Amino acid sequence: QSVLTQPPSASGTPGQRVTISCSGSSSNIGTNTVNWYQQLPGTAPKLLIYSNNQRPSGVPDRFSGSKSGTSASLAISGLQSEDEADYYCAAWHDSLNGPVFGGGTKLTVL
Amino acid sequence: QVQLVESGGGLVKPGGSLRLSCAASGFTFSNYYMSWIRQAPGKGLEWVSYISSTTETIYYADSVKGRFTISRDNAKNSLYLQMSGLRAEDTAVYYCARAPESLEWLLYFDHWGQGTLVTVSS
Repeated sequence: QSVLTQPPSASGTPGQRVTISCSGSSSNIGTNTVNWYQQLPGTAPKLLIYSNNQRPSGVPDRFSGSKSGTSASLAISGLQSEDEADYYCAAWHDSLNGPVFGGGTKLTVL
Repeated sequence: QVQLVESGGGLVKPGGSLRLSCAASGFTFSNYYMSWIRQAPGKGLEWVSYISSTTETIYYADSVKGRFTISRDNAKNSLYLQMSGLRAEDTAVYYCARAPESLEWLLYFDHWGQGTLVTVSS
């Protein structure tokens, strides 16, 4: 059972907008920034969003992040087939002295 | 460009030991916090350990505390994870990752290695 809660799956058709939620608590998301990672099949995770809503260079602006209270969301607009991947949220957890990850959301592009 | 290359994985019996290495290049290794993160087969990501740039701060996940030791050699641009008392549940791909922020509440990992597989089985 992951400390951060994500839906196990999400789907959309090409061109659609999809959102993935991430729910936490006052010990993690409520007080610390949220980051999102994309893991394409058979590859290492890649940083997608950091500090709630910042995109590293090279990440398309189709990807955006937001945070409110103890929850966060990743939005993907203009869905493309290459977006099919697992997505993980993460945040520092104060009492655990380390970052915690969500269980991951498998995104399928129909 | 930033490169992180893990090595040292393999098959080990329960109770055994293994030392993972991560060779870093393309950036000033001694300026960065580093971490180990693992992923069991077909499962999600789990943070394992974290070390500050000068080793003054080290944290471990409860699941590995007392069994794993993280270390680094800034002169060799290398990160290590000494694993002992290995259990079946430690079976996973182990990734090393770079953390560009020193403030814990901002922590994130901007570069990851390709991972090395550790299998604990008799």
